[in-house]
Amino acid sequence: QVHLQESGPGLVKPSGTLSLTCAVSGGSISSNNWWSWVRQPPGKGLEWIGEIYHGGGTRYNPSLKSRVTMSVDKSKNLFSLNLTSVTAADTAVYYCARQDNRGQSDYWGQGTLVTVSS
Amino acid sequence: DIQMTQSPSSLSASVGDRVTITCRASQSISVYLNWYQQKPGKAPRLLIYAASSLQSGVPSRFSGSGSGTDFTLTISSLQPEDFATYYCQQSYTAPPRTFGPGTKVDIK
Repeated sequence: QVHLQESGPGLVKPSGTLSLTCAVSGGSISSNNWWSWVRQPPGKGLEWIGEIYHGGGTRYNPSLKSRVTMSVDKSKNLFSLNLTSVTAADTAVYYCARQDNRGQSDYWGQGTLVTVSS
Repeated sequence: DIQMTQSPSSLSASVGDRVTITCRASQSISVYLNWYQQKPGKAPRLLIYAASSLQSGVPSRFSGSGSGTDFTLTISSLQPEDFATYYCQQSYTAPPRTFGPGTKVDIK
């Protein structure tokens, strides 16, 4: 059973950088899967942020592309999200997920709330 | 980008009712359509992938159909634990893998 766990600061100052990691257990980050980030502002719907493959390939949402970077650490079996120049609009629950062969996200982390505020 | 719409945005139903939610893509996505269920404070849960394939462990009262641009999620007999918000998502192209706006199912 694959398990994903997000971690990172719960509070980020405006104009700062949001940095989260997603630790993968019960499976390998080097498996034939893409690994993704999805966010959900309070009371709103789901927004796909992007995805990364263990070989380093990335796909980012065009609406966030200029501010997003994702990376993989194979030695620690985790992947990461950096989002720069944050504003209050980036306040959301951030989820990491595993994508299977038809692009479906079959395993999800529990989510972590990140608030952008001074 | 491919845009996804869902209808209705919310519905009220009773236990035992048959419930149908519709999802439409702005262009053909073949069968690359997924359905998720989300309860308050919880992560989304995959119900259906590739339009009609039931994810392991999901009750058989959930079913999906459609191809191209029009898709349907059906709950054959609504159970108390099914009151939640349902999202469709296209996985035909990336980026982005767009989600629909959601359909909230609550108790009548």
